[in-house]
Amino acid sequence: SQELEQSPQSLIVQEGKNLTINCTSSKTLYGLYWYKQKYGEGLIFLMMLQKGGEEKSHEKITAKLDEKKQQSSLHITASQPSHAGIYLCGADIRSQGNLIFGKGTKLSVKP
Amino acid sequence: GAVVSQHPSWVICKSGTSVKIECRSLDFQATTMFWYRQFPKQSLMLMATSNEGSKATYEQGVEKDKFLINHASLTLSTLTVTSAHPEDSSFYICSATGGYTDTQYFGPGTRLTVL
Repeated sequence: SQELEQSPQSLIVQEGKNLTINCTSSKTLYGLYWYKQKYGEGLIFLMMLQKGGEEKSHEKITAKLDEKKQQSSLHITASQPSHAGIYLCGADIRSQGNLIFGKGTKLSVKP
Repeated sequence: GAVVSQHPSWVICKSGTSVKIECRSLDFQATTMFWYRQFPKQSLMLMATSNEGSKATYEQGVEKDKFLINHASLTLSTLTVTSAHPEDSSFYICSATGGYTDTQYFGPGTRLTVL
């Protein structure tokens, strides 16, 4: 069974629009990581969240971890074509440091 | 869905020995495979990208003579940690892409402990 659910699977938005990607687990997340993959390239680390209620921002991307530490959202404000790619969440659900991953969200931004 | 396996799942070796880790795509042809390293409670670090039939591209700071990568076929890539030392102890994960998708499919990882 998939321990980390990521939604939506794919997303097409108009440039300038906001969007949200979710990552949900039935288990407590000891660490939640967001990555971006550009086509044909390796993962780029975006942000890590550990505390319930934590929120981090980098440029126009904001990630939050809920108080129960079972859900995280990645929000992009005023999307741009450079935001296009596959966004992947990874989580430590066993407090052993090893990550499991969601299936990714493919984001396309129409100019 | 696409499946990627890694072997072994864990290995313990003595300092100075070499260890080979295999990454296989079981039901698709992986034109590109990525090797990552993960330190405890830290993010993944991309080590190298390998395309079938060509030399791997290493990320800055990764010693290519120490971490030998071979991607000889469309279903197999190997990472050899040469002359391993305790500081090489880590969790190594591979991922593969291929076919008509850019989605990366991750292997389950290999935990390496160097004594």
